[in-house]
Amino acid sequence: EAGVAQSPRYKIIEKRQSVAFWCNPISGHATLYWYQQILGQGPKLLIQFQNNGVVDDSQLPKDRFSAERLKGVDSTLKIQPAKLEDSAVYLCASSPGGGEKLFFGSGTQLSVL
Amino acid sequence: RKEVEQDPGPFNVPEGATVAFNCTYSNSASQSFFWYRQDCRKEPKLLMSVYSSGNEDGRFTAQLNRASQYISLLIRDSKLSDSATYLCVVGKAGTALIFGKGTTLSVSS
Repeated sequence: EAGVAQSPRYKIIEKRQSVAFWCNPISGHATLYWYQQILGQGPKLLIQFQNNGVVDDSQLPKDRFSAERLKGVDSTLKIQPAKLEDSAVYLCASSPGGGEKLFFGSGTQLSVL
Repeated sequence: RKEVEQDPGPFNVPEGATVAFNCTYSNSASQSFFWYRQDCRKEPKLLMSVYSSGNEDGRFTAQLNRASQYISLLIRDSKLSDSATYLCVVGKAGTALIFGKGTTLSVSS
């Protein structure tokens, strides 16, 4: 069974630039998550989708972050404009449903200079 | 109070040692509990689910105390390959899982 696919693997940008990350979840998984993991911290939820609807985006900095999951499959996460403190690993995960064990992609390591 | 709290360590133990990690959670409505393992520069991977009656998987034993809102992970006969960060994870139906900061384990020969 194919796992969660993410791209790109690494991204380096300057502050105030924009960046986008892509995720393809495990086939059949209705729930998709974006987590942000800063070095030395645990993953922190940014947004949770159930099919193509948003379940929880309470911790998403909406002035600069946006995410969508068109057709309830693939998802993109965008940051515009990026700040230095956005440097982190952005992890996409999927699960059959909310509250169930997650399967993570390999993540995108973002460096904002 | 943080939702999921763990002792960050690091725990430095010799091969063959037994080591225990503890975790507390603040939401009494939590229903699902897990331990994830994260290797350096890798994504978190599920180590084991934690059940109310306690459960064991080889050298790993997980315990849950709902009354005290406490979860533990015991690793017996530590191997070099057990060196990693162990994340305590808590959730409830329909919502995203919440991760602790992780406890770092270093096993040396």
